[in-house]
Amino acid sequence: AQTVTQSQPEMSVQEAETVTLSCTYDTSENNYYLFWYKQPPSRQMILVIRQEAYKQQNATENRFSVNFQKAAKSFSLKISDSQLGDTAMYFCAFMKRNFGNEKLTFGTGTRLTIIP
Amino acid sequence: DTAVSQTPKYLVTQMGNDKSIKCEQNLGHDTMYWYKQDSKKFLKIMFSYNNKELIINETVPNRFSPKSPDKAHLNLHINSLELGDSAVYFCASSPRTSNSGYTFGSGTRLTVV
Repeated sequence: AQTVTQSQPEMSVQEAETVTLSCTYDTSENNYYLFWYKQPPSRQMILVIRQEAYKQQNATENRFSVNFQKAAKSFSLKISDSQLGDTAMYFCAFMKRNFGNEKLTFGTGTRLTIIP
Repeated sequence: DTAVSQTPKYLVTQMGNDKSIKCEQNLGHDTMYWYKQDSKKFLKIMFSYNNKELIINETVPNRFSPKSPDKAHLNLHINSLELGDSAVYFCASSPRTSNSGYTFGSGTRLTVV
């Protein structure tokens, strides 16, 4: 079974600063996907970024980037030039690579607050 | 156009009642899911269906029964509601190739009083 650990329950940072959210996971699988989801106060789950384990290059999406360390089973999210709208719960998630139908296993989340 | 829509968004009901939550997706995805988010924000899968066929059934009480009339719909019926069932329930869908992740609905906040 896979487990996902987010060791930072809460974080806060000043607007425009950079913040890094940590995530580690445990799996015996070799092919899998990793995701970061954002859940703002509106409750909607929004996909921020995804990483395919067989790709060594770290994924980036505008101000969001990841540091994927496969050997260390680490998948951190860096948010650059943070904005007030980044205030949300952030969830790291793992999915086995299969023919679909696979479940997402989530971490416990990190509550991020951007301070004006 | 909403990709994954759930109804209702809020549901308040008394213990012992039976209630249903509906979910529809217009993305043409093959697989649909129900997730439960508890009061500590932890998200856990309950069920998944692929083309109307039950694929994943985690350890969920028998009082919870999913129903998929077609691949665009996955409803959740809950019998004899208990206080511990209070949570946010999310519907989601994904295409056959899972690398794009899920698309989630906006959630249904269920409160049992």
